[in-house]
Amino acid sequence: QVQLQESGPGLVKPSETLSLTCTVSGVSISSSYWSWIRQSPGKGLEWIGNVFHSGSTNYNPSLKSRVTISADTSKNQFSLELTSVTAADTAVYYCTRAKGGGWFDPWGQGTLVTVSS
Amino acid sequence: EIVLTQSPGILSLSPGEGATLSCRASQSVSSGFLAWYQQKPGQAPRLLIYGVFSRATGIPDRFSGSGSGTDFTLTISRLEPEDFAVYYCQQYGSSPRTFGQGTKVEIK
Repeated sequence: QVQLQESGPGLVKPSETLSLTCTVSGVSISSSYWSWIRQSPGKGLEWIGNVFHSGSTNYNPSLKSRVTISADTSKNQFSLELTSVTAADTAVYYCTRAKGGGWFDPWGQGTLVTVSS
Repeated sequence: EIVLTQSPGILSLSPGEGATLSCRASQSVSSGFLAWYQQKPGQAPRLLIYGVFSRATGIPDRFSGSGSGTDFTLTISRLEPEDFAVYYCQQYGSSPRTFGQGTKVEIK
């Protein structure tokens, strides 16, 4: 059974960098693309980007200048960094597997990240 | 980017009734690359349907998807108590991947 678990700080100060890690169990991350998605009341579900184990990435143009997604096959993890955060980046962040070209299954439980001083 | 518009915003129905949820795309979704998800309060979205009409593992057959081009539909044939939730469509035919704003199916 494939399971994903997000981890990282729940509070980040404005202008700083948001960093989250997703630990994958039940399957090697070398088998698929892996994605980050966030959900906020104001913007709904927003795809942030994805990574392949080789390091190949694809980002949402709306966030591309601030986002880095990377994979660590030795730890079976992938990570998200979002720089220069503002209150608009406050959201629940989900990690998920991108299958068959781009549907998402399964999802982690999500982690709330609040941007506030 | 492709904008997905879901209607209605809220659907008030009773258990046992059927539900029809609509998802309209701002441009054609290539190769039928459209999925549907169910989300309950405090939980992550769960994949229901991919490729317009293929049910995900473990999804009961009362859920069905249809459509093509710019117009897609999720049908729930007979609502069970556990089906009352928010439903989202998502396209993966082009980048960036985008989601609809959701339809809430609530108990009447």
